[in-house]
Amino acid sequence: GAGVSQSPSNKVTEKGKDVELRCDPISGHTALYWYRQSLGQGLEFLIYFQGNSAPDKSGLPSDRFSAERTGGSVSTLTIQRTQQEDSAVYLCASSLGRGKNTIYFGEGSWLTVV
Amino acid sequence: AQKITQTQPGMFVQEKEAVTLDCTYDTSDPSYGLFWYKQPSSGEMIFLIYQGSYDQQNATEGRYSLNFQKARKSANLVISASQLGDSAMYFCAMREGPAGGTSYGKLTFGQGTILTVHP
Repeated sequence: GAGVSQSPSNKVTEKGKDVELRCDPISGHTALYWYRQSLGQGLEFLIYFQGNSAPDKSGLPSDRFSAERTGGSVSTLTIQRTQQEDSAVYLCASSLGRGKNTIYFGEGSWLTVV
Repeated sequence: AQKITQTQPGMFVQEKEAVTLDCTYDTSDPSYGLFWYKQPSSGEMIFLIYQGSYDQQNATEGRYSLNFQKARKSANLVISASQLGDSAMYFCAMREGPAGGTSYGKLTFGQGTILTVHP
């Protein structure tokens, strides 16, 4: 597609359940990023992929959070045993890779944990 | 200390006038990049403009320009000829380290400034 595509756009889940959020980057973009935005807050870095490897996982808030990327394209962010504080917008972004400065974001997945 | 500071929670501007959104940053790394993003109510983050720490000239992209004052560690966004569609949240962000380094993908964002353009 023309832009970064994320699904689902909205997800309401019960506390304790697992959720998977999907990101389809812009075609040809080798770098992929996950960020989290809580209500009224700026964005918080979670993880960065270059190809299928993740050089920087420093932003993952706990071991309940994991992400993978296969085939150098689609990425999945998984949150296990969700907690209410996980409620946020999860934004995915992609870019052409190192040395390329324009990072394009998707519209986000709104997660609500009840 | 905050790495990115946006001191204006909200700004108002009349349509067709220019507006400056403030951003100051804090880093000891000589190589860094500064970004501005626009986030309308739809939630998508829209890339506006980029300035590298070694760039000699201020970045410009259409109606957007970045007033980069390296010694003062400020990177203010100037929007000329404001339009109603410019009403949105604006975020300043920084990447520390060179573009090819391991911290390449990690942007630190400010808290944002809500811009309202009045007709």
